[in-house]
Parts: sequence; C-alpha cells; structure tokens
Amino acid sequence: QKEVEQDPGPLSVPEGAIVSLNCTYSNSAFQYFMWYRQYSRKGPELLMYTYSSGNKEDGRFTAQVDKSSKYISLFIRDSQPSDSATYLCAMAPGGYQKVTFGTGTKLQVIP
Amino acid sequence: EAQVTQNPRYLITVTGKKLTVTCSQNMNHEYMSWYRQDPGLGLRQIYYSMNVEVTDKGDVPEGYKVSRKEKRNFPLILESPSPNQTSLYFCASSYGSTLGTPTDTQYFGPGTRLTVL
Repeated sequence: QKEVEQDPGPLSVPEGAIVSLNCTYSNSAFQYFMWYRQYSRKGPELLMYTYSSGNKEDGRFTAQVDKSSKYISLFIRDSQPSDSATYLCAMAPGGYQKVTFGTGTKLQVIP
Repeated sequence: EAQVTQNPRYLITVTGKKLTVTCSQNMNHEYMSWYRQDPGLGLRQIYYSMNVEVTDKGDVPEGYKVSRKEKRNFPLILESPSPNQTSLYFCASSYGSTLGTPTDTQYFGPGTRLTVL
C-alpha cells in the first residue's frame, strides 16, 4: 500500500464548476500537507500548504485536512480553463527531506 | 527573475554513457533537491542538499551521484545510466528545509526529460 493515494483522473468539469480533489494517506507522522499544480511540460508549483488539521483558503482555493480520517482535499471554486493541470498532493512530517507526493490528478476545465 | 534552471531539457543517451544534468538557482537558497517523476509513481526524491558540501540520500538514490560545491549549483550525475533511469527529472530549491516558515516555498525547475536506450 502506498503511503499517499491519489486518484489519477482524468477529471473533466465545465467552467464555473466546483472541483474537489482528494488524497488519502497512511503515515500518522505527516504534519504538513501541500498542494502543487503542474502544467504540462512544466515543473510543479506550490499552491498552498496546511499545517495539521483544519482549513485554509486562498482566493478560489480551499485546502482541508482531516487527520482523524487521514484525508485531505483541495476545492477549487468557479473553476477556469486556466486551472486545467495536474494537481499533486504532498505531505511531510516536518521538512522537505521527507516529502511524499501523490501521483497527481489530471484536471480539465472545459469552456 | 527568480528561477531554477536545468540543462539539458531533453536528452537521449545510451546505456553506460556518463552524463550530468545541471541545476542552478539564483535565489540564494540553501536547500536543493532532485526528484524523478514517473507515471503511476509520482515524484520521488533522489538526493537533497541542506547547504554547500552537505548532501544526503532521498528515497531512490541508487545509480545517481550529486555534488554541492557552490550554493547556486546542484548537478545530478549518472555515471553509468541504465534504461530504468529513463524519467522526467526535476531540481527544486528553497531557503530552508523546514516547513512552516514564511520563506519555505519550494521552487521547481522546468524538468529534464531523459531517455536511456
């Protein structure tokens, strides 16, 4: 069993939809939870991260962490065609030395 | 412009022919790392460096070497490449390695697609 599980998709939604992306994990030591966006032929870029449980909001993006269920989510409101990318979740106990990435979910937002 | 650069961007080579992929950052970052990205496996860390002359193994270090002689550069060396090292490679850097600080964003390079025949 992988430490981090992420549905690869692809996920296709119409423009303006609310998108929900999710990851589950098995390592209780994870304290930092991150979401990266990766456009085709580009490197990943950090969208946001959350420490421990709770919610964090940044514009149209909301990250949620439920440590009791070992489940994290990224919500995208009012999705735009420019949001079409692969979204990677990542988790770490405390530092980048031990980051574990999910395999990524490919999202397509259709105009 | 703050950035992480990698060269070459694309490389096709043959088994056993030594190669080096360069990585350079212009942000005075202390922490640098190398990842490989494979379908179904995601990003996996190969090596990382906390600072000049300080390097350590990540999750998949076999077949790779690194060096950190200068703060800005962190080359990845494949001394005898094999077909199972065909992959997409990313270099990344950040001010520190500890998450949860204001300057802890990790920046990735554009990637190097390597094919070993």
